[in-house]
Amino acid sequence: DAMVIQNPRYQVTQFGKPVTLSCSQTLNHNVMYWYQQKSSQAPKLLFHYYDKDFNNEADTPDNFQSRRPNTSFCFLDIRSPGLGDAAMYLCATSPWGGRKAEAFFGQGTRLTVV
Amino acid sequence: SQQGEEDPQALSIQEGENATMNCSYKTSINNLQWYRQNSGRGLVHLILIRSNEREKHSGRLRVTLDTSKKSSSLLITASRAADTASYFCATDTREASGGSYIPTFGRGTSLIVHP
Repeated sequence: DAMVIQNPRYQVTQFGKPVTLSCSQTLNHNVMYWYQQKSSQAPKLLFHYYDKDFNNEADTPDNFQSRRPNTSFCFLDIRSPGLGDAAMYLCATSPWGGRKAEAFFGQGTRLTVV
Repeated sequence: SQQGEEDPQALSIQEGENATMNCSYKTSINNLQWYRQNSGRGLVHLILIRSNEREKHSGRLRVTLDTSKKSSSLLITASRAADTASYFCATDTREASGGSYIPTFGRGTSLIVHP
């Protein structure tokens, strides 16, 4: 059974046109993360939530926003995508107080900017 | 910021051979994890080793951890073509809100296993 689901798997958007990527989870985990991964690079954390407590990374561009309306859903909004934002976007979850620290990842959304 | 560094960046072997990948990190850790990523897919958790453990096994996987050298290795024995993927180590030096930890990834090792 899928536990972290990202939609869509592939997204093509126009330069400057707002786009939203979605993530849902059936694990009831408190913590959700968004990572950006460019080709042959390490996944880079953009932000994470503990419940509704939002934590932005210092170097995440203002162009990237996120919403978490409830435990199950989390959205990544890119307000004005540039060519440099083309990447794989990975959503992950982990349980609260999880000293095991295992993160469960979705399949990712591959974003293309044209 | 990047914490783990995998070595080698790319590894090409024949089916049946063993594959060894190494990860070095800079600061003290609580846990170290290895993940696998098939091309164009998300990451799949393989194994977690705690800072007080030295070795851990899971099927054909063997992970070692040397905290004095700040390094870990992942050994895949009797490799198969289906093991072709990128392998990442992730450390958890950063604490997230609520007491969980943030996996911080290295660049990964790209493994190709030829049938």
